[in-house]
Parts: sequence; structure tokens; C-alpha cells
Amino acid sequence: GAVVSQHPSRVICKSGTSVKIECRSLDFQATTMFWYRQFPKQSLMLMATSNEGSKATYEQGVEKDKFLINHASLTLSTLTVTSAHPEDSSFYICSASDGQGARNTIYFGEGSWLTVV
Amino acid sequence: AQSVTQLDSQVPVFEEAPVELRCNYSSSVSVYLFWYVQYPNQGLQLLLKYLSGSTLVKGINGFEAEFNKSQTSFHLRKPSVHISDTAEYFCAVTPYSSASKIIFGSGTRLSIRP
Repeated sequence: GAVVSQHPSRVICKSGTSVKIECRSLDFQATTMFWYRQFPKQSLMLMATSNEGSKATYEQGVEKDKFLINHASLTLSTLTVTSAHPEDSSFYICSASDGQGARNTIYFGEGSWLTVV
Repeated sequence: AQSVTQLDSQVPVFEEAPVELRCNYSSSVSVYLFWYVQYPNQGLQLLLKYLSGSTLVKGINGFEAEFNKSQTSFHLRKPSVHISDTAEYFCAVTPYSSASKIIFGSGTRLSIRP
């Protein structure tokens, strides 16, 4: 079945550096992907909607200059955390749908653990 | 705007006992409803979803949920739980108009005691 893959699954970076997380739809095309953030023992918070070929739409309170999203193709969206700080340490998950509407299945990636030291 | 409330942050139950995880939602527009499960250190897996039709929805792993429009609830139930059901469970909604944009509840941690 359709799969959404994230890479890397775990990454540790130094404070002040940037880190990129990839989200790929492996056997379907996704014009829209979503990025979520999950703090330990908390729920998933939608960060932004990634639109293929156009700018991402960010949720209120999410810094677009800090969390850069690029959706360069129908199967790949990337999230770059720029100038990372320890408070950015979190679990980041992406999702993609194989069509329009909730009647199509929404697939989630396995998630990426980011630790900023 | 939509919001989802999961009233119980933790639910401990004994193995083979029944369980109900509560979920209420608020929305000014029509929504679809979901339950997702997250096993430790893993991503999300869809348990079940309500789109339309019968208000009783059956999902994977023996779970079911009932949509109650008047009470704006979508409680998850299982008649007999197993140790393997230990996980975090998220109730979620998505509006008809943006059906891939999911709003999650705060989650309920289900812990099964032998």
C-alpha cells in the first residue's frame, strides 16, 4: 500500500546549525503534505501545509523563516529547521493524502526525532 | 475553527477488560472524524474513521467508535483489550473543506495491566 517515508528518523545537531527532514510519498503523488510537531507526551500540532509548486501555508505562531518548507515535487517535501535551538527538539511528523478529501487515505510518516544540543 | 477534547489523559485497564476512550469535538462546519494510534517511538496508524452513513464504525484490532452528532462525541471502544494495545490514542477531526488538514486531540495513554 501507499507509504510515506521520513528521513532521517533521528538526528542530533548542534545549537545554531540547520537540519533538514525529508518526507516522501513512495508510491503516490501528493500535491499537499502536512508537517506536524509533537512534544513529549503531548499531541500533534499542525505546523504548516506544504503545497507542491507554491509557498507553504503556516499555522499561527509558527515562524516561517525558522521552519522552511519546500515542496519541490509531487513526492517530496522538506522541512528545514534553521538555526536550531534546544527548544526545537521535538518529534516531527509529516502526512500526505493520495487524493482529495478524507475519503482518500491520509498516510503519516514514521516521524523524525530532532535533538538539538 | 475546530477543536478536539480527549477527557482522559491516561486510562489504565486490566487485560481482557473493556475500555472506552472518550472524545468530544467542536466545529462550526461539518467534519470527518478519526482515531489514530501511536505505539511507543513510532508514527501514527489509522484505527478507524467516520465519513458518513452508519454511526457505528468498526476499525482495526477490534476497535470501534460511535459518532453521536447531538453530543458531538466520537468515543472509542474495545470489548476486551490486550497488552499489545498499550499505546497513545488520538482522536482527530478534519473539516470537509480541507479534508487532509487534521486537528488532533491531546491524546489518551492506554496502559494495560496483566
